[in-house]
This record gives sequence, C-alpha cells and structure tokens, in this order.
Amino acid sequence: GENVGLHLPTLSVQEGDNSIINCAYSNSASDYFIWYKQESGKGPQFIIDIRSNMDKRQGQRVTVLLNKTVKHLSLQIAATQPGDSAVYFCAEKSFSGGSYIPTFGRGTSLIVHP
Amino acid sequence: GAVVSQHPSWVICKSGTSVKIECRSLDFQATTMFWYRQFPKQSLMLMATSNEGSKATYEQGVEKDKFLINHASLTLSTLTVTSAHPEDSSFYICSARDLGLAEYFGAGTRLSVL
Repeated sequence: GENVGLHLPTLSVQEGDNSIINCAYSNSASDYFIWYKQESGKGPQFIIDIRSNMDKRQGQRVTVLLNKTVKHLSLQIAATQPGDSAVYFCAEKSFSGGSYIPTFGRGTSLIVHP
Repeated sequence: GAVVSQHPSWVICKSGTSVKIECRSLDFQATTMFWYRQFPKQSLMLMATSNEGSKATYEQGVEKDKFLINHASLTLSTLTVTSAHPEDSSFYICSARDLGLAEYFGAGTRLSVL
C-alpha cells in the first residue's frame, strides 16, 4: 500500500455534528472497500464495507458512499460523539495472484469536541 | 464477532535478538493472514500475505529472511523479526480472513529494539 506523508489529515467537529471523511482510492480494479476505525495503540476495527456493485450502504449511524467514476469513497458519521474520536482508514481490495490483497489509504484523524 | 488475538502486545528487546509475534484466530479458521507494519501517524503497510500450509508472499521491499512468517495451522500465524535492530522498532499488526473478504485485526504488537 501507499504510505503517504508524515502528517495525517485532521477533521475537528463538535459533538452532535455530522462528520464526513473522504478517501480517494487508486485501483480501478478494486471491487471491495472497507472503512476501519483505529484508536491509539490498537488494531483497526471494522466499521462498514461496500462492494463495487453498490454506491451506498448504511449502518448504525454510519453511511458509506462509493463513486467509482472518480474513485472516491466517503464515510458519513451521524451525530458524532466523543467516542468516535480516532483515526479512520479506508481500504480497497483487489484480486491479485489468487488472493484479495488489501491496500490502506493514508487515514484521517477525527477529533470530536464535547 | 470474529476475534483475532495477537501476542505479545508490547515487547522490548536488545539489538541482535529475535522476536516472535503470534497471531491467532480464536473462533474461526483463517485461510489467509496478513502482516502489517505501521509507523506513528501513518497508514498500515502490508508486509506479507500468509496462506496456511504455503510460503508467505512478501510485498516489494520486505526482506523475507528478516521477517520470517509461518502459518502452520488455520488458526495460527507467526512473524519472527530476526536479528532485530532499532530501525525495526514499529507497531506490527496482523489480520485474519475467513473464506469471505472480511478481515479481522489483532490488537497489534509494539516492538521497541534498544
């Protein structure tokens, strides 16, 4: 996966606001996309996924939008809470060499102010 | 949900020693396991893909003799950092995948080489 830069983009929001985190992916052959949440010192935690034959999928307080035309993925978090503060990564998966290989995006740090 | 256990969570070792990290899928059989490395405030970098009973596939730039991977069973993969040096200090994360595309992550291992 590409490892871009030393500083994560940061999104600061107030508690109760809606948050939108964006991700640009690189491989037009990717057909499965996932959003992960990573808290400091922990492994990534699955949030929601979407396949390439869909453009929107909703979960509890989260929605993922996929625009394959411009290779863009977004994660919307409704009524953001302080517990949502973490780094969010998108990941794309494409079939290569007989296996689905994951590639992670650079990540966005979400800071929720009470 | 699926649980992946990674051990140890934190290890400090002297330069020149080898360190083994274990990754176990507790309630499912993992046909594929992945090993990642993560530097502070950066994304996850895929190091290698490990399939049960076969040799691991390493990403470009990852030394296979330096990072030995063994996937001896459907529930256990190990990563051994051989002759560790301070530049190997990092956060190592494993993940496991069942027959589907979902990937479940361990909590990570922080390696500090003195």
